[in-house]
Amino acid sequence: SQTIHQWPATLVQPVGSPLSLECTVEGTSNPNLYWYRQAAGRGLQLLFYSVGIGQISSEVPQNLSASRPQDRQFILSSKKLLLSDSGFYLCAWTSTGSTEAFFGQGTRLTVV
Amino acid sequence: QKEVEQDPGPLSVPEGAIVSLNCTYSNSAFQYFMWYRQYSRKGPELLMYTYSSGNKEDGRFTAQVDKSSKYISLFIRDSQPSDSATYLCAMSVGTYKYIFGTGTRLKVLA
Repeated sequence: SQTIHQWPATLVQPVGSPLSLECTVEGTSNPNLYWYRQAAGRGLQLLFYSVGIGQISSEVPQNLSASRPQDRQFILSSKKLLLSDSGFYLCAWTSTGSTEAFFGQGTRLTVV
Repeated sequence: QKEVEQDPGPLSVPEGAIVSLNCTYSNSAFQYFMWYRQYSRKGPELLMYTYSSGNKEDGRFTAQVDKSSKYISLFIRDSQPSDSATYLCAMSVGTYKYIFGTGTRLKVLA
């Protein structure tokens, strides 16, 4: 069966520090991968999605970037965090051609 | 106008009640409709997935889509305290970009 792993679960980082969140999927090949941010009362906002290694589409221009160095690995990064980057970050995957998205357990990021 | 509208709640019901959760949308191009359940501080869990108008049933859950009215619903029969969570609707035109509602908080009281 397919599983998605996302870590860390919680993170507290100072303003201006770098960020690296990692997500891996097991049990499937060539998944579509997504990073979302969830803010209270605002639903899930799509940040990036990837249909293959090295292929990244950005939905919202901001202080974050994403990379996909391996088929089942998706990384969310920032060089310098802002207070406004605080939130709940979720990784998700779908099979190619499918619209059923499955989510990781999320990372709660607090920038102080 | 938001593409997807969902009442944030909270919605409080007694155990055993039938719960109705709803979303409206404005984009008639949406073809795929999903409901997710999210417990506090956890990732969303896919509950139901439909792509056509009508009803789809899975155990105590029924998803209903009315494309002519741009309205989707999730019904929960015989609600249990373990159903207490936030329920998110989601919809998409194709296979990449999903638009989520803001979620409805449900509390089922024992």
